[in-house]
Amino acid sequence: EAGVAQSPRYKIIEKRQSVAFWCNPISGHATLYWYQQILGQGPKLLIQFQNNGVVDDSQLPKDRFSAERLKGVDSTLKIQPAKLEDSAVYLCASKSSGGTYSSTDTQYFGPGTRLTVL
Amino acid sequence: AQKVTQAQTEISVVEKEDVTLDCVYETRDTTYYLFWYKQPPSGELVFLIRRNSFDEQNEISGRYSWNFQKSTSSFNFTITASQVVDSAVYFCALSEANYGQNFVFGPGTRLSVLP
Repeated sequence: EAGVAQSPRYKIIEKRQSVAFWCNPISGHATLYWYQQILGQGPKLLIQFQNNGVVDDSQLPKDRFSAERLKGVDSTLKIQPAKLEDSAVYLCASKSSGGTYSSTDTQYFGPGTRLTVL
Repeated sequence: AQKVTQAQTEISVVEKEDVTLDCVYETRDTTYYLFWYKQPPSGELVFLIRRNSFDEQNEISGRYSWNFQKSTSSFNFTITASQVVDSAVYFCALSEANYGQNFVFGPGTRLSVLP
């Protein structure tokens, strides 16, 4: 079974530029997450999708960050304009269901995109 | 509110030593789930284990074992006979069943196993 795919793996931009990250979850996984992991810290949830709907985006800085999952499969996270403090690894994760926990309810993570804002 | 504390920022051990990584959590829910993930230098988070709040049985998987104690809100992880390949950052995470089901990660413990 293929894992969570993310691209690009690395991105360097200057502040005030725009950037987009792509994620393709494990096939059949209804729930998709985007996390931000700043160096030396644990991942912090940015947004959660259930199919193509947003479940939780309370920690997403909506003035500059946006995300979509139009067809309920892959997802794009955008930052516009980027700030220096956005330098981090952006992790995508998916799990099979979005409701009551079952034995399959574990989040599986992609390799991440390392963003450097200069 | 959810909170996960991993008091050990970094641990260094010599190969073949046993090492325990501590995790203490806070939750308002009676049904919750605890996780451990490993993040090797490559950066990908690798799932290790999930426990639900109703199952306090300790678990052993090869050289890995987990000790879940609700009385002290702890979910500690022990690696027996550590190996260099165990070097990574280990994260403990908590998810509440009735309050969003989202993960809260601890700050992580960096484990270095020296040859």
